[in-house]
Amino acid sequence: DTEVTQTPKHLVMGMTNKKSLKCEQHMGHRAMYWYKQKAKKPPELMFVYSYEKLSINESVPSRFSPECPNSSLLNLHLHALQPEDSALYLCASSVRDRDLRGYTFGSGTRLTVV
Amino acid sequence: KQEVTQIPAALSVPEGENLVLNCSFTDSAIYNLQWFRQDPGKGLTSLLLIQSSQREQTSGRLNASLDKSSGRSTLYIAASQPGDSATYLCAPDQTGANNLFFGTGTRLTVIP
Repeated sequence: DTEVTQTPKHLVMGMTNKKSLKCEQHMGHRAMYWYKQKAKKPPELMFVYSYEKLSINESVPSRFSPECPNSSLLNLHLHALQPEDSALYLCASSVRDRDLRGYTFGSGTRLTVV
Repeated sequence: KQEVTQIPAALSVPEGENLVLNCSFTDSAIYNLQWFRQDPGKGLTSLLLIQSSQREQTSGRLNASLDKSSGRSTLYIAASQPGDSATYLCAPDQTGANNLFFGTGTRLTVIP
């Protein structure tokens, strides 16, 4: 298995809702990443997990809460989002955070906040 | 903060042409640089990785070069095909920790 799987592919949520994005990989990668991509813009790094521990938080608002329950799974919990948070959320993984082999992206979750 | 610029922003070429995409970055203290392609509404696919000690990497019809001192990288695509149509992003890694900072991208259209 050489894929990063993200679910759901599309999500529409209200500003008062709580939802979660899920990312899964079974390649034995020990670094996992969340990126946010607005339309016609490059991806921007949000969080990095290394060996299931949060190593980077790029000043992301607390309404985004990451979680790495095990080495194969990465979640992004969403609460009280704003319409400007609508974007494509991309998950990626790599062998380790200082090893570029096999840097793999998922297809993303397209989030719309209404 | 690293600033990454890609020129041109968009490019349209007839099938079979060779083409060059440019990437420039303001902070030359990088560990490596990757080139990715992104199809509309999809994730990213890694194309080539150049370590800071290397000057170029090749994969099939793709060749990427890196001039770290001048803050530039180029992606050369030979004999372009309609399937090459996508947005191409360069991403230098400043930290060595695989935290990529993406360029603005070049949207390529190859016309059959």
